[in-house]
Amino acid sequence: AQSVAQPEDQVNVAEGNPLTVKCTYSVSGNPYLFWYVQYPNRGLQFLLKYITGDNLVKGSYGFEAEFNKSQTSFHLKKPSALVSDSALYFCAVRDKAAGNKLTFGGGTRVLVKP
Amino acid sequence: DAGVTQSPTHLIKTRGQQVTLRCSPKSGHDTVSWYQQALGQGPQFIFQYYEEEERQRGNFPDRFSGHQFPNYSSELNVNALLLGDSALYLCASSLASGSPHEQYFGPGTRLTVT
Repeated sequence: AQSVAQPEDQVNVAEGNPLTVKCTYSVSGNPYLFWYVQYPNRGLQFLLKYITGDNLVKGSYGFEAEFNKSQTSFHLKKPSALVSDSALYFCAVRDKAAGNKLTFGGGTRVLVKP
Repeated sequence: DAGVTQSPTHLIKTRGQQVTLRCSPKSGHDTVSWYQQALGQGPQFIFQYYEEEERQRGNFPDRFSGHQFPNYSSELNVNALLLGDSALYLCASSLASGSPHEQYFGPGTRLTVT
């Protein structure tokens, strides 16, 4: 069975500082990995995905993520956080061998302070 | 280009009642997935429809059923509602063919069961 862990319930960062949101995964085969962001009373917005190839993936709004197969991690990063980045972030995995369903982590709330 | 739309936005039902939620996928998409997001948790996969058939199902009871129409829109039906069914129900659409595609989410339907 596939699973995703986001070890931090909340991350606090000052505006302009680097932001990292951690994610580790477990799948039986090769993973497809995704990051989504959710603002209050809204659905999930796609940020980026890793399918294959370069381990560093660049996405929307200046976010990027690094795939690390040996550590089974896919941490989300942003070099300089904005107050508007404050939201709920979800990591998700799709196991190639297990069909099309996405399995999500529990989410990490990011609070960027001015 | 319209994104994923869902109706209604909010819904209040009583225990034991039945509810139908509706979803229209993003233009050009042929696959619809449904997720349940309880308060403070990540979305949980309910099922996925493609070519008007249920292709994959998560760990949800038979009280949860669905349908996909020829125009790719979809319905989620929940019978014999329980208090624990209170959640945000998210619809996501994607394209079945080609490289693994991200799922695009609608704004969700907030269901409250009293």
